[in-house]
Amino acid sequence: RKEVEQDPGPFNVPEGATVAFNCTYSNSASQSFFWYRQDCRKEPKLLMSVYSSGNEDGRFTAQLNRASQYISLLIRDSKLSDSATYLCAVYNDYKLSFGAGTTVTVRA
Amino acid sequence: DADVTQTPRNRITKTGKRIMLECSQTKGHDRMYWYRQDPGLGLRLIYYSFDVKDINKGEISDGYSVSRQAQAKFSLSLESAIPNQTALYFCATAEGGNYGTEAFFGQGTRLTVV
Repeated sequence: RKEVEQDPGPFNVPEGATVAFNCTYSNSASQSFFWYRQDCRKEPKLLMSVYSSGNEDGRFTAQLNRASQYISLLIRDSKLSDSATYLCAVYNDYKLSFGAGTTVTVRA
Repeated sequence: DADVTQTPRNRITKTGKRIMLECSQTKGHDRMYWYRQDPGLGLRLIYYSFDVKDINKGEISDGYSVSRQAQAKFSLSLESAIPNQTALYFCATAEGGNYGTEAFFGQGTRLTVV
């Protein structure tokens, strides 16, 4: 089983829509969780860290469910500029492991 | 200048050739990582290093070797390149500590083995 698994999508949504997707991880001892954004095979950049209590950054909300071992990302009021691949990342045993990414396309 | 610099940015090489990808960083981070990215497979960890004396294999280290020449430099070598090593390679750095912190990536090296 892969350490980190994501729904690959693609999610194709209209502007203004809400889109949400999950990422599951296999190691219950995982310590830290992140969402990264990657545009067109450029380098990934941190979108947000994911905290146990859940956290929000503008239109983006991240949740962590340790019992079920998944993290989620919700994007509200989608913009064209949100079109990208979203990678979840999990830190454990001093390694940072990534999922394969979820592709989101926002259409006008 | 970028905080994490990879060279070369693009490279085409022949099967059997030895090639080195270089990564340098100005962030002062202890931890450095090499990943490869293939369509549909995401980022897979090749090697990681916590300091000059600490090198660890990732999930796909076969066919690769690394060298941490200094805190700021971490090189990835393909001793005898093969076509299935064609991929986009990323170097990343992060601060030390028990809990993971934000990783900063280089711009990537697009490697083609023919």
